[in-house]
Amino acid sequence: RKEVEQDPGPFNVPEGATVAFNCTYSNSASQSFFWYRQDCRKEPKLLMSVYSSGNEDGRFTAQLNRASQYISLLIRDSKLSDSATYLCVVTQAGTALIFGKGTTLSVSS
Amino acid sequence: EPEVTQTPSHQVTQMGQEVILRCVPISNHLYFYWYRQILGQKVEFLVSFYNNEISEKSEIFDDQFSVERPDGSNFTLKIRSTKLEDSAMYFCASSRGGPDEQFFGPGTRLTVL
Repeated sequence: RKEVEQDPGPFNVPEGATVAFNCTYSNSASQSFFWYRQDCRKEPKLLMSVYSSGNEDGRFTAQLNRASQYISLLIRDSKLSDSATYLCVVTQAGTALIFGKGTTLSVSS
Repeated sequence: EPEVTQTPSHQVTQMGQEVILRCVPISNHLYFYWYRQILGQKVEFLVSFYNNEISEKSEIFDDQFSVERPDGSNFTLKIRSTKLEDSAMYFCASSRGGPDEQFFGPGTRLTVL
């Protein structure tokens, strides 16, 4: 069973669209949750941490449901520059980041 | 803005050769990491390093791999005898504290022929 599962996409949306990504994780002892962004052939960069209470950063909203072991990311008013792969990431007992395979988003004009 | 740097950006080697990948973490960070990403696959954790010792490692990080912080600035990953399946992008990362944001370097693409 994969530790972190994501729909690989690709999600192809027009500019201005709202798009949602989902992620599930298998280990109920997972402690910290993040969304990272990875552009093609580049390093992952932290987009936002995810908290149980939900959190928002501009056009981005992240939610965590510990009971369902489910994490989501909502992007409103998509921009061309949002085109990237979005990585769902968790930690367990230590500091190691455990990555999902990522969901690819392509925003077109 | 401070950043993690890695050299070389691309390393080509023959199977069985030793390679050393180099990283300079952000200067006031205390935790250092290596991850790898095989083309088309997910990013995978290899090892974390704190207070001059390995604090955590994955199953991938076997006896062929070692890490070192030879001085106050560099952090290296050595692969003793490379295999074809070691071909991947290797990312170094660092963080100020254990649970803090990890900042990734641009990666070294290792190609084993």
